[in-house]
Amino acid sequence: DVKVTQSSRYLVKRTGEKVFLECVQDMDHENMFWYRQDPGLGLRLIYFSYDVKMKEKGDIPEGYSVSREKKERFSLILESASTNQTSMYLCASTDGTVILYGYTFGSGTRLTVV
Amino acid sequence: ELKVEQNPLFLSMQEGKNYTIYCNYSTTSDRLYWYRQDPGKSLESLFVLLSNGAVKQEGRLMASLDTKARLSTLHITAAVHDLSATYFCAVSNTGNQFYFGTGTSLTVIP
Repeated sequence: DVKVTQSSRYLVKRTGEKVFLECVQDMDHENMFWYRQDPGLGLRLIYFSYDVKMKEKGDIPEGYSVSREKKERFSLILESASTNQTSMYLCASTDGTVILYGYTFGSGTRLTVV
Repeated sequence: ELKVEQNPLFLSMQEGKNYTIYCNYSTTSDRLYWYRQDPGKSLESLFVLLSNGAVKQEGRLMASLDTKARLSTLHITAAVHDLSATYFCAVSNTGNQFYFGTGTSLTVIP
């Protein structure tokens, strides 16, 4: 089975801190995605990547950046954390079989900014 | 931007009853996915619907897709407590990007 691993389940950070959320997948998937999940808003796409060193903005990229130096790792960076970035963050990956199988999600990181 | 609407947002139903969750989307697509999320957990794939008229069933859940109406339904038959979760639909465009609905939080009451 494909595994998508997010390094932290829960994080508490202070306003203004630089925050790194890490996601690693073990099945050589080309495509990786970062979503945030908020009640009543569903999942919203922050950034995605179709290849190493490649990144594309999603629907809500403001306040975030990403890094993909290796194929298996896709990092989400909050340059200066703010309280409105308190949320559940979900990483997902897929490859050319996306049509048949959809995305595989990580277990999520619940971030609280105080 | 492709928009996906689910209703209801919250659903409380008694065990043994039937109900349907609706997923409408705004532009043409013939790929629709249903996911389940348990509290505090990630999303797990339930169904993949890839053509007009597609119907998939597993246990007490049945999903269908009408691409002409831009509508998918998730029907629950004789609900049991184990089905309590949040259900998301997602629509894919010509690329690999998915657009998710707001989710339906289902609570099955004994």
